Amino acid sequence: AQSVTQPDIHITVSEGASLELRCNYSYGATPYLFWYVQSPGQGLQLLLKYFSGDTLVQGIKGFEAEFKRSQSSFNLRKPSVHWSDAAEYFCAVVASGGSYIPTFGRGTSLIVHP
Amino acid sequence: NAGVMQNPRHLVRRRGQEARLRCSPMKGHSHVYWYRQLPEEGLKFMVYLQKENIIDESGMPKERFSAEFPKEGPSILRIQQVVRGDSAAYFCASSPGTSGSTDTQYFGPGTRLTVL
Repeated sequence: AQSVTQPDIHITVSEGASLELRCNYSYGATPYLFWYVQSPGQGLQLLLKYFSGDTLVQGIKGFEAEFKRSQSSFNLRKPSVHWSDAAEYFCAVVASGGSYIPTFGRGTSLIVHP
Repeated sequence: NAGVMQNPRHLVRRRGQEARLRCSPMKGHSHVYWYRQLPEEGLKFMVYLQKENIIDESGMPKERFSAEFPKEGPSILRIQQVVRGDSAAYFCASSPGTSGSTDTQYFGPGTRLTVL
C-alpha cells in the first residue's frame, strides 16, 4: 500500500519569500501525485497534479511541483508567497495500478508573516 | 456550474442520536467519495460510491456507519448512535468517472459534526 509523508507540520515564511513544502511517498511504481490546499473552514482545492511526462508541473496560484523519482518526492514550491497563501497544504498519492482512492499526508500548515 | 455541495455545514448531535450528512456532486459527476478529517490530520478515505452502488467501503467503520447514493437525489452518509469520537469534519468529493485512476476529485466544503 502507498503512504505519504509530509515531514513539516508547520512552516513559517515572510510575505514575498520563497516557499518549498516537502512531500515524500512510498509506492512500488510511479504513482499519481496531487497537491491540495485547504483554507480554514473550507474544503480542499486542487493546486496541481502529476500523472506522467514533464516532471515539473505548473498549478494554479503560481505554485509548481517537481516529481523526483530517485528521491520519491513531489515538493511544492512558490517563488514569492502572498499573505493569502496561508492555509493547510496536503499532498496525496493514488496508486497507478488501478486504485481510485488517494492517500493523503497529514498536511503542512503554512503561516505567512507580513 | 455549481461545485460539490454539502449540507448541513455544521451539525450538532447528542450522544446516541443519528447524524445524516448530504452531498450533491458536481453536475455530470457520477462518482462520490466520503472522507473524514480529524483535527490536525489528513483526510481518511471512508467510502466510494457510484449511483446505486457501493464500489469500495474499506474505510468505513463496520458498525453504525452507512452510505448510499441513490438514483435520484444526493449521497447520504449516515451515522447511527453517534459517540464523541465521531466528532470530525466529513468531506465529500465527486468525479466524472471517465478517467479511471486519473479522475480528478473535486471536494465540497465539508460538514463539521460535533457530538456533545
